[in-house]
Amino acid sequence: DAGVIQSPRHEVTEMGQEVTLRCKPISGHNSLFWYRQTMMRGLELLIYFNNNVPIDDSGMPEDRFSAKMPNASFSTLKIQPSEPRDSAVYFCASSLADNQPQHFGDGTRLSIL
Amino acid sequence: GQQLNQSPQSMFIQEGEDVSMNCTSSSIFNTWLWYKQDPGEGPVLLIALYKAGELTSNGRLTAQFGITRKDSFLNISASIPSDVGIYFCAGQWGGSEKLVFGKGMKLTVNP
Repeated sequence: DAGVIQSPRHEVTEMGQEVTLRCKPISGHNSLFWYRQTMMRGLELLIYFNNNVPIDDSGMPEDRFSAKMPNASFSTLKIQPSEPRDSAVYFCASSLADNQPQHFGDGTRLSIL
Repeated sequence: GQQLNQSPQSMFIQEGEDVSMNCTSSSIFNTWLWYKQDPGEGPVLLIALYKAGELTSNGRLTAQFGITRKDSFLNISASIPSDVGIYFCAGQWGGSEKLVFGKGMKLTVNP
């Protein structure tokens, strides 16, 4: 079975550019999560959706970050404008609702120069 | 904010040895999860625990949900080189889908 699919796997861009990260959750999963992983702060939840509706975006660092989930099989995380401190690995995860475990994609390694 | 204290932060062991790691929290969790992350990949679920006192095994891995609901441990028996990686604990409150992660424990296994 296909797991959570993220693209691109790597992104290198200059500061000020718009960055769009993509995620396809596991088919049938109702909840989708975006995380950021850094050495200093570990794994942090940015935002999560349930049935395509954003439930909690309290982890989104600032207005430069936005996330959408237009349908059950696709989500985007956008950073505009990007800054060097946004460099990190961004993970998407999905789960069936009701406290089922989250399954992670392989992440997007983002470098902002 | 909520924090999980995961210890130790790293361990260096010889192949064949057992290893134990634990997580503690200031909060009560309804679910404890243990994940392993290999370089360049996402965390992979190892064991999920749903009830205080629960003891669950997955091959050479054994994990327990602490009776106070504020801690959990993971044991790996008879370690092998492919056990190398970073192990994360994560806690989940009742009524929420949010996970709080520990900072991870980096395991090195010398052949």
